[in-house]
Amino acid sequence: DQQVKQNSPSLSVQEGRISILNCDYTNSMFDYFLWYKKYPAEGPTFLISISSIKDKNEDGRFTVFLNKSAKHLSLHIVPSQPGDSAVYFCPTTYTGGFKTIFGAGTRLFVKA
Amino acid sequence: IAGITQAPTSQILAAGRRMTLRCTQDMRHNAMYWYRQDLGLGLRLIHYSNTAGTTGKGEVPDGYSVSRANTDDFPLTLASAVPSQTSVYFCASSDFSGALTQYFGPGTRLTVL
Repeated sequence: DQQVKQNSPSLSVQEGRISILNCDYTNSMFDYFLWYKKYPAEGPTFLISISSIKDKNEDGRFTVFLNKSAKHLSLHIVPSQPGDSAVYFCPTTYTGGFKTIFGAGTRLFVKA
Repeated sequence: IAGITQAPTSQILAAGRRMTLRCTQDMRHNAMYWYRQDLGLGLRLIHYSNTAGTTGKGEVPDGYSVSRANTDDFPLTLASAVPSQTSVYFCASSDFSGALTQYFGPGTRLTVL
């Protein structure tokens, strides 16, 4: 039973347009949500996060939205750039916990 | 500062052989983790260590063992490798157990034939 679901295995977007990556979770105990980006042959790197007390967090071109009632979060990238092409994971965890649960990831292709 | 290093980068291993994947961090992080990444399943936690001298089981610990003799090193051992352990293995660390951001190594691609 996957506690974190990324239902779109891949997404293709034109350069300059918005990329929207989605993530659903099932465990209401999760109160901290992260996005990681992973390039081929590299480890995942932290991108942006949001705690359950917020519904939006913004960092430059990246904005994460959290809908607690729907147990859904999304990452918006505006404008998308070819260098954003990577696999994106949305791990979730809870404050004080040591286990971070990852989804399967979504591969983003940004076409020039 | 290197961050986290893993060795080897890749390895092909015969089933039944013993293998140790190495992980070293130079950030003096207390907590360390081992994940495996499989297509369609994302990253799954194998074992973790809150601090030197302690270890714990993650989601998929069977067939793997770890040790944490000091802060910097966290080796993962496959006592008798099986083909289902073919995967990409990532080591990660965080400031402390429960710290919300983890830092990952570059991974080890392991193929068990």
